[in-house]
Amino acid sequence: QSALTQPRSVSGSPGQSVTISCTGTSSDVGGYNYISWYQQRPGKAPKLMIYDVSKRPSGVPDRFSGSKSGNTASLTISGLQAEDEADYYCCSYAGSYTWVFGGGTKLTVL
Amino acid sequence: QVTLKESGPALVKPTQTLTLTCTFSGFSLSTSGMRVSWIRQPPGKALEWLARIDWDDDKFYSASLKTRLTISKDTSKNQVVLTVTNMDPVDTATYYCARIPPNGVYFDYWGQGTLVTVSS
Repeated sequence: QSALTQPRSVSGSPGQSVTISCTGTSSDVGGYNYISWYQQRPGKAPKLMIYDVSKRPSGVPDRFSGSKSGNTASLTISGLQAEDEADYYCCSYAGSYTWVFGGGTKLTVL
Repeated sequence: QVTLKESGPALVKPTQTLTLTCTFSGFSLSTSGMRVSWIRQPPGKALEWLARIDWDDDKFYSASLKTRLTISKDTSKNQVVLTVTNMDPVDTATYYCARIPPNGVYFDYWGQGTLVTVSS
């Protein structure tokens, strides 16, 4: 499986909204509603931010939201805060009990 | 409180076999629906899913690495072990173990990761 396609970087000012896209195929993103998003700060383990396309785990701010259309999933962060600066990875179930990750997007808060 | 921690050698030589252990607490791999996966991340690169083991001992592997990976569990010790044969410098990465909850298709808790360097 090929990695899902994410923009290498996005940026926004505090208070603004940013959206990170994640494009796959009908065999992964488009085929299942099992998209998850992970935040990774430098030197730290990934943290689950969104699962099942748009669900938030307990403790994740509602500024984080997820959606999907066709073969593209999206993570939107509204009301950007300095603490949101991190790398973000999408992940999709890819069938046959396997997963595929995106290449990662570096979010810079200006 | 769910925690996972990876352990293993920091340095291996090319062609050697890598053995990593994930020791966890706060849940049991004998619970129906519980699963643990291994995921790796080369320095500065993306995450890559490697393998998964289920409560009922079902095992699943990345197609591209299937011939080199073996995952196993010791439920009594709360441990999951991953072996990777024929290590190569391109296998240099931080290796993470992560939990998949019952009925979930995502990784809800991750270990801190362990960096493995492959070099002669």
